[in-house]
Amino acid sequence: GAGVSQSPSNKVTEKGKDVELRCDPISGHTALYWYRQSLGQGLEFLIYFQGNSAPDKSGLPSDRFSAERTGGSVSTLTIQRTQQEDSAVYLCASSSSHLRDRLGNTIYFGEGSWLTVV
Amino acid sequence: QKEVEQDPGPLSVPEGAIVSLNCTYSNSAFQYFMWYRQYSRKGPELLMYTYSSGNKEDGRFTAQVDKSSKYISLFIRDSQPSDSATYLCAMSGIHSSASKIIFGSGTRLSIRP
Repeated sequence: GAGVSQSPSNKVTEKGKDVELRCDPISGHTALYWYRQSLGQGLEFLIYFQGNSAPDKSGLPSDRFSAERTGGSVSTLTIQRTQQEDSAVYLCASSSSHLRDRLGNTIYFGEGSWLTVV
Repeated sequence: QKEVEQDPGPLSVPEGAIVSLNCTYSNSAFQYFMWYRQYSRKGPELLMYTYSSGNKEDGRFTAQVDKSSKYISLFIRDSQPSDSATYLCAMSGIHSSASKIIFGSGTRLSIRP
């Protein structure tokens, strides 16, 4: 697609419920990132996928968080047993990470999924 | 110590002023330096991209990288109210499959008409 697409754009859920957030990266981009941004805060790295390599999960805050990327394209971030502190914007981004791409590691963001846990 | 430090602001300046936004970093392996602009309730968008040291100019925007001081800057000339946004610096290391982007916390900028 033309840009990174995320769904849902807004989600309100009850504490304790599970949520799934979807990301469809730019076509051909091999690298995919999930970030979290709380109100007025910077971007917190969650997880990074690059091609067929094992994902870098070092930013996931707890075992309630998991993510997968099927077929090297679409990714789903799952939060189990949501807590109020999980309320944030979840941003997905992708990049080409191709040696011939002069923009190299520059990444392109989606509009985010705004999650509110009540 | 965070790998990337950025003053969160807020920074408020009058229209037409020159704005200077800065970040410092600790990892000498960083070689790619970026500035992103984020409007309220939107995702960040790439504004400027620089590889290694030096200056890069694009219209009213100039990005500077001083690797010896581990310091990067973004200058905005003739600032406009439409420049009001949060500006995030970002950087990454050598071009490899294991690299990831590290972001600053963002500086909130407000341009007063």
